[in-house]
Amino acid sequence: EAGVTQFPSHSVIEKGQTVTLRCDPISGHDNLYWYRRVMGKEIKFLLHFVKESKQDESGMPNNRFLAERTGGTYSTLKVQPAELEDSGVYFCASSQDSGAGTKNIQYFGAGTRLSVL
Amino acid sequence: AQSVTQLDSQVPVFEEAPVELRCNYSSSVSVYLFWYVQYPNQGLQLLLKYLSGSTLVKGINGFEAEFNKSQTSFHLRKPSVHISDTAEYFCAVRENRDDKIIFGKGTRLHILP
Repeated sequence: EAGVTQFPSHSVIEKGQTVTLRCDPISGHDNLYWYRRVMGKEIKFLLHFVKESKQDESGMPNNRFLAERTGGTYSTLKVQPAELEDSGVYFCASSQDSGAGTKNIQYFGAGTRLSVL
Repeated sequence: AQSVTQLDSQVPVFEEAPVELRCNYSSSVSVYLFWYVQYPNQGLQLLLKYLSGSTLVKGINGFEAEFNKSQTSFHLRKPSVHISDTAEYFCAVRENRDDKIIFGKGTRLHILP
């Protein structure tokens, strides 16, 4: 069974450009999460999808970030325009269930390292 | 608000020696606790989890952790480390009423020959 996959593994762009990150969750997982680790800081939650709906987007830093999950399968995270402080590693995770319960175990992908120059 | 503290940013340990990576958390409600590991050039992998039941949980690669509710701690231990344990270890907590995971800053484990 394939795990959570993320593309690309590394992206280098210039300030002001647009970048789109993609995440494919584990098959059958309705819940998809995005997290980010800025250098030297903790891994922080960005948002949570249940199928195609945004359940919680309280961690999105600003309106330059747009996440979508059309059809409830893979998700994209677009940064437009990118700024220097957006550099970091973006992780995607998926889980079978959400809410209280033991099936809300999140499995993470390898991450996308974004470098904004 | 919930938070996770990993006091040690880096821990050097000789090969075959025991290791303990410390983790404390704060939360006003019941929590689930996790340790994730990131090996060099790889993604985050779930090492072990505490959901309920026995406070001593065993994970992969010989690691174990003990949940101490009174001290709000979830320290990770291994009796004898190997060079392949070189990685960054993240303690994490999820409140039972929430979905998002709160991570500590991570501890880099360096195995010395």
